[in-house]
Amino acid sequence: NAGVTQTPKFRVLKTGQSMTLLCAQDMNHEYMYWYRQDPGMGLRLIHYSVGEGTTAKGEVPDGYNVSRLKKQNFLLGLESAAPSQTSVYFCASSHHRTSETYEQYFGPGTRLTVT
Amino acid sequence: GNSVTQMEGPVTLSEEAFLTINCTYTATGYPSLFWYVQYPGEGLQLLLKATKADDKGSNKGFEATYRKETTSFHLEKGSVQVSDSAVYFCALSDLYSSASKIIFGSGTRLSIRP
Repeated sequence: NAGVTQTPKFRVLKTGQSMTLLCAQDMNHEYMYWYRQDPGMGLRLIHYSVGEGTTAKGEVPDGYNVSRLKKQNFLLGLESAAPSQTSVYFCASSHHRTSETYEQYFGPGTRLTVT
Repeated sequence: GNSVTQMEGPVTLSEEAFLTINCTYTATGYPSLFWYVQYPGEGLQLLLKATKADDKGSNKGFEATYRKETTSFHLEKGSVQVSDSAVYFCALSDLYSSASKIIFGSGTRLSIRP
């Protein structure tokens, strides 16, 4: 199993450009998440999904959109990138909430710089 | 709301020293508690977990005990190694979340000197 994979690993954008980050998991997990990690702020939840075709806003959703057309994939889009979106983005997945531990499995991250 | 507070870093220790990283939480009910570790350039990995009061999670020589009375989940290791250098995140599960959401602390960077 590859676990959770993210594409691309690095990206530099100019202000106003758009891009899509791809997350894929092969563990048949129902839930998927997108976080951003900024220095001194831990991880903040951007959007999440509880199943194919469903998405919901997290703590910091503004400026991002997501889609979950297939159970194994979760896409994060930036329609018009801003320097404030410079960050490291992590995708994660987990089983349904009836799992006793609610453990999340993380991808390796995408480092995005917006100039 | 639910929250996690952990000691600020960076923490710098010599090899074989004793490690404690403090973590306290605020939560409604009885969440599961976690320690995640992030090695340089990588994503987060679950280090250990505890699902109920007085449970002790352990892995790779690290331990943490779920203390309901003090709402704490401090991470300890008796003898650290250079390979333990990483960022450590304390976290709790949001029991009332519809999606098994986890709330993370801000992270503590640990550096071990040879």
